[in-house]
Amino acid sequence: NAGVTQTPKFRILKIGQSMTLQCTQDMNHNYMYWYRQDPGMGLKLIYYSVGAGITDKGEVPNGYNVSRSTTEDFPLRLELAAPSQTSVYFCASSADSPNTGELFFGEGSRLTVL
Amino acid sequence: DAKTTQPPSMDCAEGRAANLPCNHSTISGNEYVYWYRQIHSQGPQYIIHGLKNNETNEMASLIITEDRKSSTLILPHATLRDTAVYYCIVIKAAGNKLTFGGGTRVLVKP
Repeated sequence: NAGVTQTPKFRILKIGQSMTLQCTQDMNHNYMYWYRQDPGMGLKLIYYSVGAGITDKGEVPNGYNVSRSTTEDFPLRLELAAPSQTSVYFCASSADSPNTGELFFGEGSRLTVL
Repeated sequence: DAKTTQPPSMDCAEGRAANLPCNHSTISGNEYVYWYRQIHSQGPQYIIHGLKNNETNEMASLIITEDRKSSTLILPHATLRDTAVYYCIVIKAAGNKLTFGGGTRVLVKP
């Protein structure tokens, strides 16, 4: 059972570089989310999607972009990486709206911007 | 979604019950109480949720006060593997977003 798979697990970027964090789920879930977690802090919602073709901003969307062309995939794009984007990024999915059941999280992608 | 307040940290003895409080005094009638936990560096894990009634599953029990302004997560027999940050979250029915607060850092000691 793969669940939610994130790649890469670790990445170091230079300031100004761009990259895409990949997230795939094999549970046919409609809802998908991207969170970031800074050291010692709680999770902050970046973007979320309620289905293919539909995305919306969370609490901290600046500096990021997302797309949802398929049910399975929800990539997170970082344009012009900045040191403030050094964080652990978690992707999650749920079958329906988060009040009706659990979110399933990936193992995280640890990004360092130098 | 209603704001939640949790103690920043607490210790618990291995084998004893751990009672984790959460205040959500501004909760409205259609908002659910959810609990997740995050074991060091891993993605958060769902524990339990409820609306009005007390709930129990294989991991924990959730006690919600009659006025719904507070709740308690109970880990009946804490083990060292229960050391984690526990998040209490309130979310509206049909809400699209799960917003995490600071949580309670629980340390289970031998």
